[in-house]
Amino acid sequence: AQRVTQPEKLLSVFKGAPVELKCNYSYSGSPELFWYVQYSRQRLQLLLRHISRESIKGFTADLNKGETSFHLKKPFAQEEDSAMYYCALKVTGFQKLVFGTGTRLLVSP
Amino acid sequence: SQTIHQWPATLVQPVGSPLSLECTVEGTSNPNLYWYRQAAGRGLQLLFYSVGIGQISSEVPQNLSASRPQDRQFILSSKKLLLSDSGFYLCAWRGTGPQETQYFGPGTRLLVL
Repeated sequence: AQRVTQPEKLLSVFKGAPVELKCNYSYSGSPELFWYVQYSRQRLQLLLRHISRESIKGFTADLNKGETSFHLKKPFAQEEDSAMYYCALKVTGFQKLVFGTGTRLLVSP
Repeated sequence: SQTIHQWPATLVQPVGSPLSLECTVEGTSNPNLYWYRQAAGRGLQLLFYSVGIGQISSEVPQNLSASRPQDRQFILSSKKLLLSDSGFYLCAWRGTGPQETQYFGPGTRLLVL
């Protein structure tokens, strides 16, 4: 069965510190992974997807098929990065996403 | 541009009462539509999805049902609410292209007392 695991419920860092939000997946097919973010009082929105291989708001994520991971990283956290982050796996052929339980990132001044 | 609406924004209902949450999408045609429940510590749980009018796939057995009476309308219902139905319900849509991702509505917070 498909599964996405985000082991940390809360990650608290100071402004300027590096950030890594962990995501591991279990999937027998070819994985397609996403990071979604929900800022306070805003809608859940797409942050980035692995096939784009882009950096959004300073965040990057690399798909590691050997470790079945898709960790989200940012070298220098900002206070405005504080939000709820969800990792998601696209299940091919079923038009749906499987989400992890989410990690709340808190960046303190 | 495409937009997605959900109403009501907040709902308080007694146990045993019926439920109807509505989701509509504008600016696109034949979208895939989804209902999720978001609970603290449990992430986003997919409840139903639909690839077309009248086509509903249920992901988990539960007290809820979904219907898609029109191309851009998706309804989440219950005949008798349970306390455990309380939560935050999100509707999402996705275009049918291979690179499309999901776009989420503002959500409905449901409290069953």
